[in-house]
Amino acid sequence: NAGVTQTPKFRILKIGQSMTLQCTQDMNHNYMYWYRQDPGMGLKLIYYSVGAGITDKGEVPNGYNVSRSTTEDFPLRLELAAPSQTSVYFCASSYGTGDTDTQYFGPGTRLTVL
Amino acid sequence: LAKTTQPISMDSYEGQEVNITCSHNNIATNDYITWYQQFPSQGPRFIIQGYKTKVTNEVASLFIPADRKSSTLSLPRVSLSDTAVYYCLVGALLNTPLVFGKGTRLSVIA
Repeated sequence: NAGVTQTPKFRILKIGQSMTLQCTQDMNHNYMYWYRQDPGMGLKLIYYSVGAGITDKGEVPNGYNVSRSTTEDFPLRLELAAPSQTSVYFCASSYGTGDTDTQYFGPGTRLTVL
Repeated sequence: LAKTTQPISMDSYEGQEVNITCSHNNIATNDYITWYQQFPSQGPRFIIQGYKTKVTNEVASLFIPADRKSSTLSLPRVSLSDTAVYYCLVGALLNTPLVFGKGTRLSVIA
């Protein structure tokens, strides 16, 4: 299993540009998440999904959009990039069943908006 | 979601046992306590999870007192490779996604 994969690893955007961060998991997990992590800070949840076709907002959804058309993929769309979106973005997934759950994280995408 | 409080940073020498305490005074009956570890430039990694008393695995131990208002992550005989940020999360996992705070930055010194 590759686990959770993210592309690209690095990206530089100009203000106002848009892009899609890709996330794929091969563990047949129901739940998927997008986080951002600013330097020296903890992770903040952007969006999450409990299954294909179902998404919900996290703590900081403004400026982002997601879709979940398949179990495996959970892309994150940035429209009209702003310098405040400079961050490291992590995708995660989990089974989402039972009383306990463990999130598995991807390697991250480092995004700079200039 | 229960709010957690943990030290911002800790230093330790190699070979020592490190205990990181997390306070969660408003923990709910259904909430579990989960700890994650994050190395620089990597995503967090699950370490251990528990509900009450003591849980031990090959990496760490988790001590939870009877009132469950706090928990302590214990790392035995740390090495330089244990230098990382450690996050304490509390919640009923399937109700609402867990919240990562700022964590505790552990620095292990030779």
